[in-house]
Amino acid sequence: RKEVEQDPGPFNVPEGATVAFNCTYSNSASQSFFWYRQDCRKEPKLLMSVYSSGNEDGRFTAQLNRASQYISLLIRDSKLSDSATYLCVVNSGFSGGYNKLIFGAGTRLAVHP
Amino acid sequence: GAGVSQSPSNKVTEKGKDVELRCDPISGHTALYWYRQSLGQGLEFLIYFQGNSAPDKSGLPSDRFSAERTGGSVSTLTIQRTQQEDSAVYLCASSLGARTSGIGLFFGPGTRLTVL
Repeated sequence: RKEVEQDPGPFNVPEGATVAFNCTYSNSASQSFFWYRQDCRKEPKLLMSVYSSGNEDGRFTAQLNRASQYISLLIRDSKLSDSATYLCVVNSGFSGGYNKLIFGAGTRLAVHP
Repeated sequence: GAGVSQSPSNKVTEKGKDVELRCDPISGHTALYWYRQSLGQGLEFLIYFQGNSAPDKSGLPSDRFSAERTGGSVSTLTIQRTQQEDSAVYLCASSLGARTSGIGLFFGPGTRLTVL
């Protein structure tokens, strides 16, 4: 079983739609959670951290459910520019002297006019 | 240059040749990571540096892969006797320190390696 699992998609949605992605992780000791965005043929960039109480950044809302070991990302009022691959990232604990980040394979989002 | 830089951006080589990939992290970032991403796949961890030492090299796929970091800055990833399955985008990332990778990594643009 992979440490971080995501639905690969693609999710095809019209502009203005609300879309949600889920991600599950296997390491119950994980403490840090993130969503990264990766545009086609570009490097991943940090979108937002995910906090225990849930957090919002504009149209983006991230939630964490520790009991069920899943993380979600909700995008409201989708824009064409939101089209990208969204990577779920989890730390595997502070072992070996550093926060080792494990990346999911990503969920592809395509927003159409 | 405020970001992580990598060179070359593209490398095409013949099977069996050695290649060297270079990474310049953000100035002051002591932690440096190498990942690779095959077409349509997620990021695969290769190696982590703190300063010039590599406490975690568990992701290196074989002994054909090696990496070093000098002066706590530039890092070189070397692949000897390249194979076609080595074809991927090799991404370098840095963070302020070992603990601050918990607030996110900054990635370079990657080196796209193609082994013919």
